[in-house]
Amino acid sequence: EVQLVESGGGLVEPGGSLRLSCAASGFTFSNVWMSWVRQAPGKGLEWVGRVKSKTNGVTTDYAAPVKGRFTVSRDDSKNMLYLQMNSLRSEDTAMYYCTTHPGGGQIDNWGQGTLVTVSS
Amino acid sequence: DTVLTQSPDFQSVTPNEKVTITCRASQSIGSSLHWYQQKPDQSPRLLIKYTSQSISGVPSRFSGSGSGTDFTLTINSLEAEDAAVYYCHQSRSLPHTFGQGTKLEIK
Repeated sequence: EVQLVESGGGLVEPGGSLRLSCAASGFTFSNVWMSWVRQAPGKGLEWVGRVKSKTNGVTTDYAAPVKGRFTVSRDDSKNMLYLQMNSLRSEDTAMYYCTTHPGGGQIDNWGQGTLVTVSS
Repeated sequence: DTVLTQSPDFQSVTPNEKVTITCRASQSIGSSLHWYQQKPDQSPRLLIKYTSQSISGVPSRFSGSGSGTDFTLTINSLEAEDAAVYYCHQSRSLPHTFGQGTKLEIK
């Protein structure tokens, strides 16, 4: 059974940083592209960024609102996905979901999410 | 960016009804369109991939169709447990984008 467990969310002041983690299990993590998707309170879904598998060069892509501030990374030896968030803004307040995103197509599996609140 | 526009935004339906939700893309996305269901206080769940491909474990009353710019999610014989928000998502081009969501209320 695929399990994705996020952690690291919390309250942070504008301009601050936060690192989210996602522990993956139940599948061959190193083979799968992974994405972060967020959802602001009461709003819809927004794709944040992704990291491809080692076979595909571990390259990353980002949505425009977070490019240059957020970094997606992976540690295949630990089956872990990360999202480093810098220069946080109030509009980054959201539930952040770790997802499996095989080949960059459909999003197969979602974690339970971790809530990030950016406020002074 | 490819904008996805869903209609309707909200629909109130009775059990056993047939429901149709549409998703229109601002440019052609081929068949790279996927559908998700999100129930209150839950994470989204994949329902349909690549326009019409079924997903293991998803009830057969959910089906998808379309191509290019116009897509449809159909729920046959609606059940009370189908009360949720439904989202479409395109993976044809970056950035990946989602529709604004369609909220289904069961009368």
